Amino acid sequence: AQSVTQPDIHITVSEGASLELRCNYSYGATPYLFWYVQSPGQGLQLLLKYFSGDTLVQGIKGFEAEFKRSQSSFNLRKPSVHWSDAAEYFCAVGRRLGGSQGNLIFGKGTKLSVKP
Amino acid sequence: DTAVSQTPKYLVTQMGNDKSIKCEQNLGHDTMYWYKQDSKKFLKIMFSYNNKELIINETVPNRFSPKSPDKAHLNLHINSLELGDSAVYFCASSQPGQPQHFGDGTRLSIL
Repeated sequence: AQSVTQPDIHITVSEGASLELRCNYSYGATPYLFWYVQSPGQGLQLLLKYFSGDTLVQGIKGFEAEFKRSQSSFNLRKPSVHWSDAAEYFCAVGRRLGGSQGNLIFGKGTKLSVKP
Repeated sequence: DTAVSQTPKYLVTQMGNDKSIKCEQNLGHDTMYWYKQDSKKFLKIMFSYNNKELIINETVPNRFSPKSPDKAHLNLHINSLELGDSAVYFCASSQPGQPQHFGDGTRLSIL
């Protein structure tokens, strides 16, 4: 069955420190992969996506992620965290339906707290 | 201009009532979705429509009935509300091969 695992429920980093959020997926074919961010009381905002091609993808707000097929991973990174990055982060796999993207299968999220 | 808009933002009601949540997208997308986010923040697909046609219907109680009057709108009607229906419901839309855009959610609270 398709699934997404985010092993870290809650991570706290100091402002200015680097960040890596882990994501592992289980999917039978080459997946569509996404990272979304959710601030309190808000909807989900797309940070970045991987569909094909270069395995290192750049996103908004200085985030990047690397697709590693051999490890079934799609970890999110940022070199220097800002206080405004505190939020809930979701990794997701997009099901392929007839070559197009179907619904998203989400991980359970990682809550990021930022210390001043 | 809001790309995916949901109304209402908050919905507080009694058990046993019937309620509707509306969703509209102005992105010209062909596919729309409803997701449910539970109290532990877990997001799960409920329904998906493509050009007004139902294409995904996960194991959702039949008290939940989506309706798509046109491809820009996907409404969710819920009959006989139960305590377990309390959640945040998100609408989303997308084009084939493109990421999904989400609304801000409707927080449903059942008293």
